[in-house]
Amino acid sequence: GAGVSQSPSNKVTEKGKDVELRCDPISGHTALYWYRQRLGQGLEFLIYFQGNSAPDKSGLPSDRFSAERTGESVSTLTIQRTQQEDSAVYLCASSTTGQGNYGYTFGSGTRLTVV
Amino acid sequence: KNQVEQSPQSLIILEGKNCTLQCNYTVSPFSNLRWYKQDTGRGPVSLTIMTFSENTKSNGRYTATLDADTKQSSLHITASQLSDSASYICVVSGGGTASKLTFGTGTRLQVTL
Repeated sequence: GAGVSQSPSNKVTEKGKDVELRCDPISGHTALYWYRQRLGQGLEFLIYFQGNSAPDKSGLPSDRFSAERTGESVSTLTIQRTQQEDSAVYLCASSTTGQGNYGYTFGSGTRLTVV
Repeated sequence: KNQVEQSPQSLIILEGKNCTLQCNYTVSPFSNLRWYKQDTGRGPVSLTIMTFSENTKSNGRYTATLDADTKQSSLHITASQLSDSASYICVVSGGGTASKLTFGTGTRLQVTL
């Protein structure tokens, strides 16, 4: 596609429920990243996929968070047993390589509200 | 601990005026520094990327400067427009992969008539 597409754009869920967020990267981008942006705070790195390599999961805050990506296509971020502190905007980005020297293209994010 | 601090936290200026946003960082090692613009409800969009050897880089009315010795960067916006109203985020890369990026909390700019 022309840009990074994320869905849903907004999600309200009850505490304890599981949620699944989707990211469709730019076609041909081998690297895909997930970030969390809490209100008034900087972006927090969650997880990074590069091609068929093992993902860098070093930013996932707990075992309730997991993400998958098949090849160089769509990725899903799953949060199990959601808590109120999970409320944030979840941003996905993709780039042509995984090297930090290149800019990313971000999606518009999914605003998650846990009530 | 790697940190990126931005100032001011928020800023209101009149349309047509210039402004300068500041970014101080303590990231080591240093690979590059980026400025992003984030409109409300949208993802960040890259404005400039500078490596340690670059002192200044422009993108239209946006000019970023970098002093790698003092670990400071600034983003200067010339002849501001209403559409410049957004958050401006400074991001410093320690090289390598995405986990080495440190994001500032941003400066919220509002341009008014």
